[in-house]
Amino acid sequence: KNEVEQSPQNLTAQEGEFITINCSYSVGISALHWLQQHPGGGIVSLFMLSSGKKKHGRLIATINIQEKHSSLHITASHPRDSAVYICAARGADGLTFGKGTHLIIQP
Amino acid sequence: DTAVSQTPKYLVTQMGNDKSIKCEQNLGHDTMYWYKQDSKKFLKIMFSYNNKELIINETVPNRFSPKSPDKAHLNLHINSLELGDSAVYFCASSRLGFQPQDTQYFGPGTRLTVL
Repeated sequence: KNEVEQSPQNLTAQEGEFITINCSYSVGISALHWLQQHPGGGIVSLFMLSSGKKKHGRLIATINIQEKHSSLHITASHPRDSAVYICAARGADGLTFGKGTHLIIQP
Repeated sequence: DTAVSQTPKYLVTQMGNDKSIKCEQNLGHDTMYWYKQDSKKFLKIMFSYNNKELIINETVPNRFSPKSPDKAHLNLHINSLELGDSAVYFCASSRLGFQPQDTQYFGPGTRLTVL
């Protein structure tokens, strides 16, 4: 069964900093999903990717299939980016979620 | 207009009862999902339906039964509720179903508390 690890578990940074959240998985996948869960509980799908890189506004997601690793980057971070970021790997045995990274951006 | 809606938002019930959570999407999507988020905030997919057909059925007790009357609705029925069923249940929908160019849209969640 796929194992999905995220790091760091918790991250506190100052406004404006460049943020990197990492996700690694143990077996081959067809797609990797990044989600954002707001403090109020709502979930937003950020990216679904299977190779290379995707960008949306200040968010960038990359994936390295050979290394079984994905990163989510936030440029010019802002307090409204404070949330839990969750990656999920879609493999032959289904969808496996990481435990999430709790990000706090301080003004 | 709400894209993905769930009812009820909160559900408090006794052990042993049967309850349903409803989900509707007005996005014209073909694929709908149910996720469970436990007290430790760990997300897990439960079911996925594409055009009213079950395509993912993760290891969940058979007390949980999804029902899709049409492709805009995916309801979750739970029989004989147990304490461990207490969680937040999220419904979601997408156009393509876990394809890399796909985006999932989540409902606001239903917080189920079993006493």
